[in-house]
Amino acid sequence: ETGVTQSPTHLIKTRGQQVTLRCSSQSGHNTVSWYQQALGQGPQFIFQYYREEENGRGNFPPRFSGLQFPNYSSELNVNALELDDSALYLCASSFGGANEQFFGPGTRLTVL
Amino acid sequence: AQRVTQPEKLLSVFKGAPVELKCNYSYSGSPELFWYVQYSRQRLQLLLRHISRESIKGFTADLNKGETSFHLKKPFAQEEDSAMYYCALIDPGGGADGLTFGKGTHLIIQP
Repeated sequence: ETGVTQSPTHLIKTRGQQVTLRCSSQSGHNTVSWYQQALGQGPQFIFQYYREEENGRGNFPPRFSGLQFPNYSSELNVNALELDDSALYLCASSFGGANEQFFGPGTRLTVL
Repeated sequence: AQRVTQPEKLLSVFKGAPVELKCNYSYSGSPELFWYVQYSRQRLQLLLRHISRESIKGFTADLNKGETSFHLKKPFAQEEDSAMYYCALIDPGGGADGLTFGKGTHLIIQP
């Protein structure tokens, strides 16, 4: 059984650019949730995808968007990057939204 | 708004001593509560959830609805317990709002 994987591991962008982060869910899981973890903070919920549709969203602006594919992998897209977007982005997969979430290793995004 | 508070940013105890990591929450209803742990250079992983009522690696956590607390306890700390610990809650009705995490407590077990 393969765990949750994320790519890339690290990424450096400049303000105003766009970025796409990728996540492969654990085998058998149909739900993917994305979190942003700023330095010294706990993870903060961005949104959740279930069967290719967004079914929940945290307090993040529309420039944060996502996709889920038929194989349940997912992308997080951030447009018009701001300095405050610098953080660790975590992907978590689960079978259903309320069940145990299994986390990936994260993508470290730095915005200069 | 739902919130999870972990009042201690850092907790340092000696090996063999008891450990208690505090967690308080605010939520309108009955959430499901979790403790997640992140060991050095590893990913975030579930330690325990209140509905399971299990003891994992010697840790237990009791939900106190009156005090809205879910403190994590272990009677005798071991060096391998050193890690970041996050308390989290979720709406058990579907989870579409995702997990709400506290800021975490860095537990250091001194030899």
